[in-house]
Amino acid sequence: GESVGLHLPTLSVQEGDNSIINCAYSNSASDYFIWYKQESGKGPQFIIDIRSNMDKRQGQRVTVLLNKTVKHLSLQIAATQPGDSAVYFCVLGRRALTFGSGTRLQVQP
Amino acid sequence: DGGITQSPKYLFRKEGQNVTLSCEQNLNHDAMYWYRQDPGQGLRLIYYSQIVNDFQKGDIAEGYSVSREKKESFPLTVTSAQKNPTAFYLCASTWGADTEAFFGQGTRLTVV
Repeated sequence: GESVGLHLPTLSVQEGDNSIINCAYSNSASDYFIWYKQESGKGPQFIIDIRSNMDKRQGQRVTVLLNKTVKHLSLQIAATQPGDSAVYFCVLGRRALTFGSGTRLQVQP
Repeated sequence: DGGITQSPKYLFRKEGQNVTLSCEQNLNHDAMYWYRQDPGQGLRLIYYSQIVNDFQKGDIAEGYSVSREKKESFPLTVTSAQKNPTAFYLCASTWGADTEAFFGQGTRLTVV
């Protein structure tokens, strides 16, 4: 069946460093991927998305990389700030959004 | 402002009682979703609806029911058949199958 997994449940980085959150998926037919950020007690918020006809997309301080060959997705956050502390989910955008368990990003001052 | 609204934010119920969680959106989105989130866990899909008067079971539909009588509303009923109803419930909506989802702020249900 469909699955989305995260390599690490928790990632701790120093403020100002770059963060890389990784995600693996199993369905090679997936053609749309989304990263969400969820702060404690709140609903997830859209960060960035990428379609399968691209291998890289950049936003403000964030970059998503897609490697369809190995079914791997990563989210890079530049100059990580305390406000980036949250749980990050990669999601396969299909008819029913498939969430993984998430990676908790902890930013150390 | 357009958005998706869940109410109430906190809900307490006695064991054995049914309870209905509200989800309303004014984004004119066709698809709506309900998720359950337990502490330290990801989101698990309960039900989703692609169009009015139609909905499909997600991964953990047992003990839950939904209706989609209006495009903007997708209420979730947690029935007494749900063994562990205490959780954080999230509603979302999307324009289409492959577009970003907008989430409500969630309802934290506690059954005592």
